[in-house]
Amino acid sequence: QSALTQPASVSGSPGQSITISCTGTSSDVGAYNFVSWYQQCPGKVPKLMIYDVSHRPSGVSNRFSGSKSGNTASLTISGLQAEDEAEYYCSSHTGSDTHVFGTGTKVTVL
Amino acid sequence: EVQLVESGGGLVQPGGSLRLSCVASGFTFTDHYMDWVRQAPGRGLEWIGRARNKVNSYITDYAASVKGRFTISRDDSKNSLYLQMNSLKIEDTAVYYCARLTGMSFDYWGQGTLLTVSS
Repeated sequence: QSALTQPASVSGSPGQSITISCTGTSSDVGAYNFVSWYQQCPGKVPKLMIYDVSHRPSGVSNRFSGSKSGNTASLTISGLQAEDEAEYYCSSHTGSDTHVFGTGTKVTVL
Repeated sequence: EVQLVESGGGLVQPGGSLRLSCVASGFTFTDHYMDWVRQAPGRGLEWIGRARNKVNSYITDYAASVKGRFTISRDDSKNSLYLQMNSLKIEDTAVYYCARLTGMSFDYWGQGTLLTVSS
């Protein structure tokens, strides 16, 4: 199972919106609405930000939103803030009852 | 409060074995599938495998990269998850996290334990 493809880096100025893509295949992202997104700040444990494509866990800011089209899922951060600077990973359930993560995207707030 | 605490990491020579443990608290352990995820130094997250719950016959699933070398088990009486790692390779060097699966996402993670495979 190959890792899902994410851009290595995305940047934006405070207040702007950015979108991170996560491209898989018809066996994972395209097959199931089980895409989740994780934020990992330097030296910290990953934190769940979005589950089941577009649902936010309690406590996660509504500036974070998720969507999916075909084999590509997306995470959008609106009203970018300095505290959003982190590594972001997507993940998906797969058809072989396994799980796969994305390659990771470093978000920089300019 | 949900807590996951891993232990057992350390330095092992290539070809060696090690068992990691993860003790859970703050939730009904038997209700959940439990997974292991690792992260090599400076690299991304890699899903390793899963132990389903009793209702699903404790079935385990593995990533291709560790299948046949790693074995996941759980002891519900001890709220514990285990990762037995054999035939270790240098590329297995990573921080190993246990994570709780809720639905199809990982909503709680342990702090991780570091495994270093080196001669």
